[in-house]
Amino acid sequence: EVQLVESGGGLVQPGGSLRLSCAASGFTFSSNWMHWVRQAPGKGLVWVSRIKSDGSSTSYADSVKGRFTISRDNAKNTLYLQMNSLRAEDTAVYYCARDLGGSYKVDGFDIWGQGTMVTVAS
Amino acid sequence: DIQMTQSPSSLSASVGDRVTITCRASQSISTYLNWYQQKPGKTPKLLIYAVSSLQSGVPSRFSGSGSGTDFTLTISSLQPEDFATYYCQQSYSTPPTFGQGTKVEIK
Repeated sequence: EVQLVESGGGLVQPGGSLRLSCAASGFTFSSNWMHWVRQAPGKGLVWVSRIKSDGSSTSYADSVKGRFTISRDNAKNTLYLQMNSLRAEDTAVYYCARDLGGSYKVDGFDIWGQGTMVTVAS
Repeated sequence: DIQMTQSPSSLSASVGDRVTITCRASQSISTYLNWYQQKPGKTPKLLIYAVSSLQSGVPSRFSGSGSGTDFTLTISSLQPEDFATYYCQQSYSTPPTFGQGTKVEIK
Protein backbone atom coordinates (compact mmCIF):
# COMPACT_ATOMS: atom_id res chain seq x y z
CA GLU A 1 0.00 0.00 0.00
CA VAL A 2 1.29 3.43 -0.93
CA GLN A 3 1.55 5.43 2.28
CA LEU A 4 2.98 8.60 3.77
CA VAL A 5 3.11 8.97 7.55
CA GLU A 6 4.07 12.30 9.13
CA SER A 7 5.38 12.79 12.63
CA GLY A 8 7.09 15.42 14.72
CA GLY A 9 4.34 17.96 15.20
CA GLY A 10 3.51 19.53 18.54
CA LEU A 11 3.34 22.69 20.58
CA VAL A 12 6.28 25.06 20.31
CA GLN A 13 6.88 28.61 21.50
CA PRO A 14 7.29 31.49 19.05
CA GLY A 15 10.88 31.59 17.86
CA GLY A 16 11.32 27.88 18.49
CA SER A 17 12.18 25.02 16.17
CA LEU A 18 10.63 21.75 15.14
CA ARG A 19 11.53 19.02 12.66
CA LEU A 20 8.82 17.15 10.85
CA SER A 21 9.34 13.74 9.30
CA CYS A 22 7.39 11.89 6.63
CA ALA A 23 7.98 8.16 6.22
CA ALA A 24 7.15 6.78 2.80
CA SER A 25 6.29 3.21 1.88
CA GLY A 26 4.76 1.25 -0.96
CA PHE A 27 6.49 3.14 -3.78
CA THR A 28 9.97 4.06 -4.98
CA PHE A 29 10.50 7.12 -2.81
CA SER A 30 13.84 7.99 -4.40
CA SER A 31 12.16 8.47 -7.80
CA ASN A 32 9.66 11.11 -6.72
CA TRP A 33 9.56 14.83 -6.15
CA MET A 34 8.03 15.47 -2.74
CA HIS A 35 6.22 18.41 -1.17
CA TRP A 36 5.00 19.88 2.07
CA VAL A 37 1.58 21.54 2.13
CA ARG A 38 -0.02 23.13 5.18
CA GLN A 39 -3.51 24.01 6.30
CA ALA A 40 -4.22 26.43 9.14
CA PRO A 41 -7.24 25.56 11.30
CA GLY A 42 -10.43 26.17 9.33
CA LYS A 43 -8.49 27.53 6.35
CA GLY A 44 -7.43 26.39 2.91
CA LEU A 45 -4.41 24.57 1.55
CA VAL A 46 -1.08 26.34 1.13
CA TRP A 47 1.99 24.93 -0.56
CA VAL A 48 5.14 25.21 1.56
CA SER A 49 8.08 23.53 -0.16
CA ARG A 50 9.25 20.93 -2.66
CA ILE A 51 12.36 18.82 -3.19
CA LYS A 52 13.63 16.92 -6.20
CA SER A 53 13.91 13.15 -6.12
CA ASP A 54 17.67 13.22 -5.52
CA GLY A 55 17.56 16.22 -3.20
CA SER A 56 19.49 18.45 -5.59
CA SER A 57 16.79 21.08 -6.03
CA THR A 58 14.48 22.74 -3.51
CA SER A 59 11.91 25.53 -3.53
CA TYR A 60 10.01 27.39 -0.83
CA ALA A 61 7.02 29.62 -0.38
CA ASP A 62 8.06 33.19 0.35
CA SER A 63 6.40 32.99 3.77
CA VAL A 64 8.84 30.31 4.96
CA LYS A 65 11.96 31.05 2.91
CA GLY A 66 15.02 31.38 5.09
CA ARG A 67 13.28 29.77 8.07
CA PHE A 68 12.29 26.30 6.80
CA THR A 69 14.52 23.69 5.19
CA ILE A 70 13.28 20.68 3.27
CA SER A 71 15.48 17.62 2.94
CA ARG A 72 15.24 13.90 2.34
CA ASP A 73 17.05 10.67 3.09
CA ASN A 74 16.35 8.28 0.26
CA ALA A 75 18.08 5.42 2.08
CA LYS A 76 15.52 5.79 4.87
CA ASN A 77 12.57 6.67 2.58
CA THR A 78 11.99 9.77 4.67
CA LEU A 79 11.21 13.40 3.94
CA TYR A 80 11.94 16.15 6.45
CA LEU A 81 10.97 19.72 7.15
CA GLN A 82 13.18 21.64 9.56
CA MET A 83 11.24 24.64 10.84
CA ASN A 84 13.10 27.43 12.64
CA SER A 85 12.05 30.84 13.95
CA LEU A 86 8.49 29.66 14.17
CA ARG A 87 5.67 32.19 14.27
CA ALA A 88 2.06 32.01 15.36
CA GLU A 89 1.03 32.15 11.71
CA ASP A 90 2.87 28.86 11.07
CA THR A 91 0.25 27.07 13.14
CA ALA A 92 -1.28 24.47 10.84
CA VAL A 93 -1.60 20.84 9.92
CA TYR A 94 1.42 19.97 7.81
CA TYR A 95 0.97 17.37 5.07
CA CYS A 96 3.65 15.69 3.06
CA ALA A 97 2.57 14.88 -0.46
CA ARG A 98 3.95 13.02 -3.44
CA ASP A 99 4.23 14.76 -6.77
CA LEU A 100 1.95 13.05 -9.26
CA GLY A 101 4.60 13.36 -11.96
CA GLY A 102 7.02 11.04 -10.24
CA SER A 103 10.54 11.98 -11.29
CA TYR A 104 9.11 14.67 -13.56
CA LYS A 105 7.90 17.66 -11.54
CA VAL A 106 4.24 18.39 -12.11
CA ASP A 107 3.39 20.22 -8.89
CA GLY A 108 0.22 18.22 -8.42
CA PHE A 109 -0.19 15.99 -5.41
CA ASP A 110 -1.48 12.45 -5.76
CA ILE A 111 -0.63 10.89 -2.39
CA TRP A 112 -1.01 12.74 0.92
CA GLY A 113 -0.08 11.81 4.44
CA GLN A 114 -2.52 12.11 7.31
CA GLY A 115 -0.91 15.32 8.48
CA THR A 116 0.80 16.43 11.68
CA MET A 117 -0.36 19.42 13.71
CA VAL A 118 2.06 22.20 14.56
CA THR A 119 0.93 24.78 17.11
CA VAL A 120 3.05 27.85 17.74
CA ALA A 121 1.96 29.57 20.93
CA SER A 122 3.31 30.77 24.23
CA ASP B 1 1.92 34.47 -7.47
CA ILE B 2 -1.07 33.25 -9.45
CA GLN B 3 -4.32 33.76 -7.56
CA MET B 4 -7.02 31.12 -7.86
CA THR B 5 -10.59 32.17 -7.13
CA GLN B 6 -13.39 29.65 -6.73
CA SER B 7 -17.11 30.28 -6.88
CA PRO B 8 -19.27 29.81 -5.08
CA SER B 9 -17.55 29.58 -1.69
CA SER B 10 -20.31 27.25 -0.58
CA LEU B 11 -23.42 25.67 -1.98
CA SER B 12 -26.29 23.53 -0.80
CA ALA B 13 -27.45 20.71 -3.01
CA SER B 14 -29.50 17.55 -2.87
CA VAL B 15 -28.52 14.00 -3.68
CA GLY B 16 -28.87 13.53 -7.42
CA ASP B 17 -28.29 17.18 -8.29
CA ARG B 18 -25.82 18.30 -10.92
CA VAL B 19 -23.22 20.51 -9.28
CA THR B 20 -20.77 22.86 -10.96
CA ILE B 21 -17.89 24.64 -9.27
CA THR B 22 -15.93 27.35 -11.05
CA CYS B 23 -12.27 28.23 -10.67
CA ARG B 24 -10.66 31.31 -12.20
CA ALA B 25 -6.92 31.99 -12.43
CA SER B 26 -5.47 35.50 -12.27
CA GLN B 27 -3.50 34.76 -15.44
CA SER B 28 -3.46 32.04 -18.05
CA ILE B 29 -2.36 28.66 -16.71
CA SER B 30 -2.99 26.69 -19.89
CA THR B 31 -4.24 23.30 -18.71
CA TYR B 32 -2.19 23.09 -15.52
CA LEU B 33 -5.19 22.76 -13.23
CA ASN B 34 -5.96 20.11 -10.62
CA TRP B 35 -8.94 19.45 -8.35
CA TYR B 36 -8.98 17.98 -4.84
CA GLN B 37 -11.70 16.82 -2.47
CA GLN B 38 -11.35 17.14 1.29
CA LYS B 39 -13.83 15.74 3.78
CA PRO B 40 -13.93 17.12 7.34
CA GLY B 41 -10.95 15.94 9.37
CA LYS B 42 -9.56 14.03 6.42
CA THR B 43 -6.67 14.31 4.02
CA PRO B 44 -7.13 15.98 0.64
CA LYS B 45 -7.68 13.60 -2.24
CA LEU B 46 -6.70 14.22 -5.86
CA LEU B 47 -9.75 13.97 -8.11
CA ILE B 48 -8.71 15.43 -11.44
CA TYR B 49 -5.39 16.55 -12.90
CA ALA B 50 -4.53 18.48 -16.04
CA VAL B 51 -8.06 19.93 -16.20
CA SER B 52 -9.91 16.77 -17.17
CA SER B 53 -7.90 13.62 -16.40
CA LEU B 54 -9.64 11.53 -13.79
CA GLN B 55 -7.36 10.16 -11.08
CA SER B 56 -7.45 6.38 -10.74
CA GLY B 57 -10.40 5.20 -8.67
CA VAL B 58 -12.38 8.44 -8.92
CA PRO B 59 -16.00 7.92 -10.02
CA SER B 60 -16.91 9.01 -13.53
CA ARG B 61 -19.59 11.39 -12.23
CA PHE B 62 -16.71 13.81 -11.64
CA SER B 63 -15.48 15.73 -14.66
CA GLY B 64 -13.44 18.82 -15.38
CA SER B 65 -13.15 21.28 -18.21
CA GLY B 66 -11.64 24.60 -19.20
CA SER B 67 -8.40 26.17 -20.29
CA GLY B 68 -6.54 29.44 -19.92
CA THR B 69 -8.10 31.16 -16.94
CA ASP B 70 -11.54 29.58 -16.49
CA PHE B 71 -12.18 26.06 -15.29
CA THR B 72 -15.08 24.00 -13.96
CA LEU B 73 -15.53 20.89 -11.86
CA THR B 74 -18.83 19.12 -12.44
CA ILE B 75 -20.46 16.39 -10.40
CA SER B 76 -23.14 14.95 -12.66
CA SER B 77 -25.25 13.36 -9.93
CA LEU B 78 -24.34 14.27 -6.38
CA GLN B 79 -23.95 11.33 -4.02
CA PRO B 80 -23.99 11.34 -0.19
CA GLU B 81 -20.23 10.72 -0.08
CA ASP B 82 -19.56 13.81 -2.23
CA PHE B 83 -20.40 16.30 0.48
CA ALA B 84 -17.01 17.86 1.10
CA THR B 85 -14.84 20.87 0.31
CA TYR B 86 -13.33 21.07 -3.16
CA TYR B 87 -10.14 22.92 -4.04
CA CYS B 88 -8.68 23.83 -7.41
CA GLN B 89 -4.90 24.21 -7.71
CA GLN B 90 -2.66 25.55 -10.44
CA SER B 91 0.59 23.80 -11.29
CA TYR B 92 1.64 26.23 -14.02
CA SER B 93 4.13 28.23 -12.01
CA THR B 94 5.90 28.37 -8.65
CA PRO B 95 4.49 28.61 -6.09
CA PRO B 96 1.66 26.18 -6.77
CA THR B 97 -1.48 27.86 -5.44
CA PHE B 98 -4.91 26.68 -4.39
CA GLY B 99 -8.33 28.23 -4.56
CA GLN B 100 -10.00 29.09 -1.27
CA GLY B 101 -12.28 26.07 -1.49
CA THR B 102 -15.94 25.39 -2.20
CA LYS B 103 -17.93 23.65 0.50
CA VAL B 104 -20.69 21.42 -0.82
CA GLU B 105 -23.35 20.91 1.82
CA ILE B 106 -26.52 18.88 2.07
CA LYS B 107 -29.70 20.75 1.23
